[in-house]
Amino acid sequence: EAQVTQNPRYLITVTGKKLTVTCSQNMNHEYMSWYRQDPGLGLRQIYYSMNVEVTDKGDVPEGYKVSRKEKRNFPLILESPSPNQTSLYFCASSLSGQGTLYEQYFGPGTRLTVT
Amino acid sequence: EDQVTQSPEALRLQEGESSSLNCSYTVSGLRGLFWYRQDPGKGPEFLFTLYSAGEEKEKERLKATLTKKESFLHITAPKPEDSATYLCAVRNYGQNFVFGPGTRLSVLP
Repeated sequence: EAQVTQNPRYLITVTGKKLTVTCSQNMNHEYMSWYRQDPGLGLRQIYYSMNVEVTDKGDVPEGYKVSRKEKRNFPLILESPSPNQTSLYFCASSLSGQGTLYEQYFGPGTRLTVT
Repeated sequence: EDQVTQSPEALRLQEGESSSLNCSYTVSGLRGLFWYRQDPGKGPEFLFTLYSAGEEKEKERLKATLTKKESFLHITAPKPEDSATYLCAVRNYGQNFVFGPGTRLSVLP
């Protein structure tokens, strides 16, 4: 089954404790992206990747890191989480980020709480 | 700065009562406009892509249209299973997407 998976689905952590949220897709998609969703603000793009080893900032990259060492995986790293990073996080992928405009497929979300 | 707004914030309809959701956008250069549906606790699910003013797309009870400044999602004779949050997003000539805050639709039986 074609899908985007995220782990963990729920995470409660404390301020300053490094964490990684994994994202994996099995559709051989080139483009991958991370979003956070907050009430009243909608989905905001954190980072995106056009392909392996190619990443770039979205609208709200502060406090986050990403890497794309393999085509299927795009982990989101919070080196020193703070309470304002409490949010619902979505990973998404699409066939390509260039040329023909393809729709994004979203993962099930990761609900992160930083105390 | 690219921006997307959606109205109304929330909409309550009786089953069979048709209506429209609005998505207004300002973007430096529009490559495409997307509509997604999001159910509670789930990731957004793709509905439509529109590329240029005048374009229309349909899927079951949903029809999306696009002008130079806004897009409409028309819902004809909605059913309770159409209840969800509907998200609009634009893609500019950079590589990122900008989403609106969504319209929360409730369809009562």
